[in-house]
Amino acid sequence: IAGITQAPTSQILAAGRRMTLRCTQDMRHNAMYWYRQDLGLGLRLIHYSNTAGTTGKGEVPDGYSVSRANTDDFPLTLASAVPSQTSVYFCASRRTGSNEQFFGPGTRLTVL
Amino acid sequence: AQKVTQAQTEISVVEKEDVTLDCVYETRDTTYYLFWYKQPPSGELVFLIRRNSFDEQNEISGRYSWNFQKSTSSFNFTITASQVVDSAVYFCALSGGTGANSKLTFGKGITLSVRP
Repeated sequence: IAGITQAPTSQILAAGRRMTLRCTQDMRHNAMYWYRQDLGLGLRLIHYSNTAGTTGKGEVPDGYSVSRANTDDFPLTLASAVPSQTSVYFCASRRTGSNEQFFGPGTRLTVL
Repeated sequence: AQKVTQAQTEISVVEKEDVTLDCVYETRDTTYYLFWYKQPPSGELVFLIRRNSFDEQNEISGRYSWNFQKSTSSFNFTITASQVVDSAVYFCALSGGTGANSKLTFGKGITLSVRP
């Protein structure tokens, strides 16, 4: 693994289903982030984690949950997907002391 | 609260034209960082530049240049002699620093189309 990986690359999901988007980084970065990208709205922060064991809410957290059991992984869970959660999801990480965020390749999620 | 405004939504130019992408920001932080990212049609986010609030020097990198003016809270991006490969969505972003304030606030993006 080099950098940040996200899985799946894309997914079509029925409304009401539970879905976990995976994000893994191998750079030992302390901070990690989840964004969603929607046309005309740019990227908006969903949740973040400054270090393993801690998480915080971003701009659009409703309907999403995260966990940070270790440094490398930061999964994003949709407990009961709704069509408005159709979006492209980007995971990012940042090294402590730096402000530059590195982005994963994104997950395209469609909720029908 | 932080805010980034990219008033232009779509720009179309002919190859070899110069084009400037505007970015205006709002923040109460005295220390902050500004970024530009490029998102080509393939979808990944490509980091272009970072500028901190204490460094108002303009920067040039090949055909790219950035003009940071604190007096007008602007961080504009100019592509000189545009090429078809410059076609992408460009995002300006703002971060309040490191630690808990380092969350990025993005503008809505500018779609640049460069026609041959």
